[in-house]
Amino acid sequence: GDQVKQSPSALSLQEGTNSALRCNFSIATTTVQWFLQNPRGSLMNLFYLVPGTKENGRLKSTFNSKESYSTLHIRDAQLEDSGTYFCAADLTGNTRKLIFGLGTTLQVQP
Amino acid sequence: EAAVTQSPRNKVAVTGGKVTLSCNQTNNHNNMYWYRQDTGHGLRLIHYSYGAGSTEKGDIPDGYKASRPSQENFSLILELATPSQTSVYFCASGDAGTGLYEQYFGPGTRLTVL
Repeated sequence: GDQVKQSPSALSLQEGTNSALRCNFSIATTTVQWFLQNPRGSLMNLFYLVPGTKENGRLKSTFNSKESYSTLHIRDAQLEDSGTYFCAADLTGNTRKLIFGLGTTLQVQP
Repeated sequence: EAAVTQSPRNKVAVTGGKVTLSCNQTNNHNNMYWYRQDTGHGLRLIHYSYGAGSTEKGDIPDGYKASRPSQENFSLILELATPSQTSVYFCASGDAGTGLYEQYFGPGTRLTVL
């Protein structure tokens, strides 16, 4: 958790609003993955990022390797967006193992 | 669609007993991983493998062994289970030889050691 810090740890949003989650890295990172863990416990892949930006529907993610952070933007939040969002760093020069943050728990309210 | 399956999905074991968790992937990925998830710690890597016959220690390997008998299968073995090993265990696969190392996770196994 120290090498990958996520903020905020918890967040409550009204349906239809926007928000941003952040991940800061204290280690050199090659790529970043974002996951959503749903209430059943399954980990769903959201983004796999090299430095740059990707967008998928209402989600947009950026990875800035020079400044060692990644963001996940949620636009027009829906009830089904609720769950815990994890970012994970794939360490530079490493064996392709992921180092996870502790997650951001998002509750979307009607 | 990536496919990683785990069995069993739930397991209750007794202290000192042997537990084997199984993972199967149909992605033809070279690498496979075992993580555990605990409140306050997130997901942590236990063992991983680069291919059939290989196993490597992750960040928290003590008390666990791993076995990779084939490209598709990767097992996590608790020879002498302890209550501290009560957790949710996730298997993942990654690396299709394309230079992309995105990992795909199975549904998890909830293990309770009494």
